[in-house]
Amino acid sequence: AQRVTQPEKLLSVFKGAPVELKCNYSYSGSPELFWYVQYSRQRLQLLLRHISRESIKGFTADLNKGETSFHLKKPFAQEEDSAMYYCALRIQGAQKLVFGQGTRLTINP
Amino acid sequence: EAQVTQNPRYLITVTGKKLTVTCSQNMNHEYMSWYRQDPGLGLRQIYYSMNVEVTDKGDVPEGYKVSRKEKRNFPLILESPSPNQTSLYFCASRGAGYLYEQYFGPGTRLTVT
Repeated sequence: AQRVTQPEKLLSVFKGAPVELKCNYSYSGSPELFWYVQYSRQRLQLLLRHISRESIKGFTADLNKGETSFHLKKPFAQEEDSAMYYCALRIQGAQKLVFGQGTRLTINP
Repeated sequence: EAQVTQNPRYLITVTGKKLTVTCSQNMNHEYMSWYRQDPGLGLRQIYYSMNVEVTDKGDVPEGYKVSRKEKRNFPLILESPSPNQTSLYFCASRGAGYLYEQYFGPGTRLTVT
């Protein structure tokens, strides 16, 4: 079965430090992976998707098919990055997003 | 403004009292979904719809119903709510193209006592 695992429920780093939010997936087909972010009292919004290979708000994520990972990284964390982050997998041809459990990121001043 | 709206945003109800949470999108999207968000479990899909009159079960459909009579609306119906349906519910929509992103509504916090 398809599965997305975010091993860290909580992650706390200091402002200016590097951040890495881990995401591993289990899927036999060709995956389509996303990172969504949910700021306090706001709706989920797309942060980035692997197919775009872009950097949004300083975040990047590289799909590693060998390790079945899609970790989210930022070299220098900012206080406004504090939020809930969800990794998600879209199964090829399906209309379902499979979400990980989420990681709450807190950036300390 | 392109958006997904949900009503109500907050609801406290009692066991067994039927309720409906509405969802509407103004982007002419084909695909719509309902998710529930629970601590430690992330978001899980309840039902989805690929177009008018086409709906299918997600991962946790028990105790829920949906309908898609119009393209813009996708209500979630709880015929006989129970306390284990206390959760935060999100509606989402996306277009049919491969690169379309999924837009989420603001969420409905439901408490069933």
